[in-house]
Amino acid sequence: DAKTTQPTSMDCAEGRAANLPCNHSTISGNEYVYWYRQIHSQGPQYIIHGLKNNETNEMASLIITEDRKSSTLILPHATLRDTAVYYCIVGYYDMRFGAGTRLTVKP
Amino acid sequence: DVKVTQSSRYLVKRTGEKVFLECVQDMDHENMFWYRQDPGLGLRLIYFSYDVKMKEKGDIPEGYSVSREKKERFSLILESASTNQTSMYLCASSLGGGLINSPLHFGNGTRLTVT
Repeated sequence: DAKTTQPTSMDCAEGRAANLPCNHSTISGNEYVYWYRQIHSQGPQYIIHGLKNNETNEMASLIITEDRKSSTLILPHATLRDTAVYYCIVGYYDMRFGAGTRLTVKP
Repeated sequence: DVKVTQSSRYLVKRTGEKVFLECVQDMDHENMFWYRQDPGLGLRLIYFSYDVKMKEKGDIPEGYSVSREKKERFSLILESASTNQTSMYLCASSLGGGLINSPLHFGNGTRLTVT
């Protein structure tokens, strides 16, 4: 079973920040938090990952709480092309996916 | 960029046929994975391999087998296809080599229909 809990769906206005939460209360000490997204009919795309420090790359920022039991993916200026299913995963190399959050960016 | 290539985008097979789904990656990755994706069920791990000739069962291995004779190629085999194996199949790879900090890179999937 997936080790994470995410909201089923979220909406966001174009140009605004999208904040996608994830709970992973059973995360163990060496497990990383990974985020992927999947646009319809394509394979999932890697976005970002982290262990305990906040991370930022050209796509997004990842905020991990100090106790590591939850995290938030931030898309700073959402566009219509960010509409996708977003998956939060914790693990080593054998990663299990949950149902993810369906993010809809609206004009 | 890592490229993970799945041999077919769409495939239609008959019940009882032996089906081979092929996946090739071009970045010398140690780990390779097969998932299936069904509406409402998300991605489920079928098998993975962390080295040539090595394989590990995932969550739903029944009715499937795998082969990894070369590092770059990971094949999923449906020994006797059934209609409940109609699904989107996704292959992925990751660097591995003992690194636990190693994201997955996915192919674009094979949509298999078994009639």
